[in-house]
Amino acid sequence: GAVVSQHPSWVICKSGTSVKIECRSLDFQATTMFWYRQFPKQSLMLMATSNEGSKATYEQGVEKDKFLINHASLTLSTLTVTSAHPEDSSFYICSASSSLLSPGPEQYFGPGTRLTVT
Amino acid sequence: GQQLNQSPQSMFIQEGEDVSMNCTSSSIFNTWLWYKQDPGEGPVLLIALYKAGELTSNGRLTAQFGITRKDSFLNISASIPSDVGIYFCAGQLSTNAGKSTFGDGTTLTVKP
Repeated sequence: GAVVSQHPSWVICKSGTSVKIECRSLDFQATTMFWYRQFPKQSLMLMATSNEGSKATYEQGVEKDKFLINHASLTLSTLTVTSAHPEDSSFYICSASSSLLSPGPEQYFGPGTRLTVT
Repeated sequence: GQQLNQSPQSMFIQEGEDVSMNCTSSSIFNTWLWYKQDPGEGPVLLIALYKAGELTSNGRLTAQFGITRKDSFLNISASIPSDVGIYFCAGQLSTNAGKSTFGDGTTLTVKP
């Protein structure tokens, strides 16, 4: 149980284009989803927290107009990197948690998306 | 904000040896979590701890929630090559709806 999928697993895009990454909770309803960014050999950097049906809460220093997050349903959240630049190249990981899971709410992670901007 | 100090930063051990790593915090948490991340993958939850003093096992893994609620350790017994990876601790407050504070990770290398 508690499986989270991410799509795509990797993507290469040209500078200036936008990229959308999907995060789905497959077997539970995720009341909260989180988006992280991870640089090589570093820990997870939380970008934003999103609750279904409401606006995402962004961490300090994360541009909300550049990293658009939509949490349209209890099983789907999307992260859109707008006008991507090479410095946006990174490993993006989503996680999902549910206040309905017991004893929870632990975070369950997706497999990550490797974004390369050329 | 809250910060976790995870140590050691890296470990190089021989197959069959036992491993111990820990996390400490300056403030308390209500839940401690331990994850393992393989290269190019997302972290996978290994053990979740919910009560101070709780000791929980998952196969060769054992983790404990410190009595002060400010620390936790993870032990791996009889390590094998597939234990290689990065281990992260994470702390949660019950008021944060699942939001976790992560340690910087312990990179484990196991030599056959």
